Amino acid sequence: SQTIHQWPATLVQPVGSPLSLECTVEGTSNPNLYWYRQAAGRGLQLLFYSVGIGQISSEVPQNLSASRPQDRQFILSSKKLLLSDSGFYLCAWSVLGQGTEAFFGQGTRLTVV
Amino acid sequence: GESVGLHLPTLSVQEGDNSIINCAYSNSASDYFIWYKQESGKGPQFIIDIRSNMDKRQGQRVTVLLNKTVKHLSLQIAATQPGDSAVYFCAEDDPSGTYKYIFGTGTRLKVLA
Repeated sequence: SQTIHQWPATLVQPVGSPLSLECTVEGTSNPNLYWYRQAAGRGLQLLFYSVGIGQISSEVPQNLSASRPQDRQFILSSKKLLLSDSGFYLCAWSVLGQGTEAFFGQGTRLTVV
Repeated sequence: GESVGLHLPTLSVQEGDNSIINCAYSNSASDYFIWYKQESGKGPQFIIDIRSNMDKRQGQRVTVLLNKTVKHLSLQIAATQPGDSAVYFCAEDDPSGTYKYIFGTGTRLKVLA
């Protein structure tokens, strides 16, 4: 069966520090991969999605970047965190193609102080 | 489009009653819709989906209704239980072929004992 792993679960980072959040999927090949951010009590904002290795689409210009170095690995990064980067970050995957549901990881709660 | 920056509306329902959560979607060309449940501090979980060639689909205690004429989607939960308390999101697949999901604002369901 397919599983998605996202870590760490919580993270407190100072302003100006770098960030690296990792997401890996097991049990499937060639997944679509997604990074979402969710502010407290709010909806899901799509940050990046990828349909293949090295293929990254950015939805919102911002202080973050994403990379997909391997088929089932998706990394969210920042060189210098801002206070406004605080939030709940969710990784998700879906079967390549359309018309199927996305499966979410358990999220990373990032607090920038 | 995606709903971010909006506070979640709340639906309060007495335990044992039926709940109806509504969602308006944006694109008449969308052909796949999903309902997710998100408990506090966790990633969204898939509940049920429906394709545009259907008007209704039933699961265990849940029913999704699709009205394509008015671009409206609803989730009905029968005999609501305390464990149903969560935020519920509808999502549609992006019909333009980008493999993205467009999420609704979300509704917080509170089950009253």
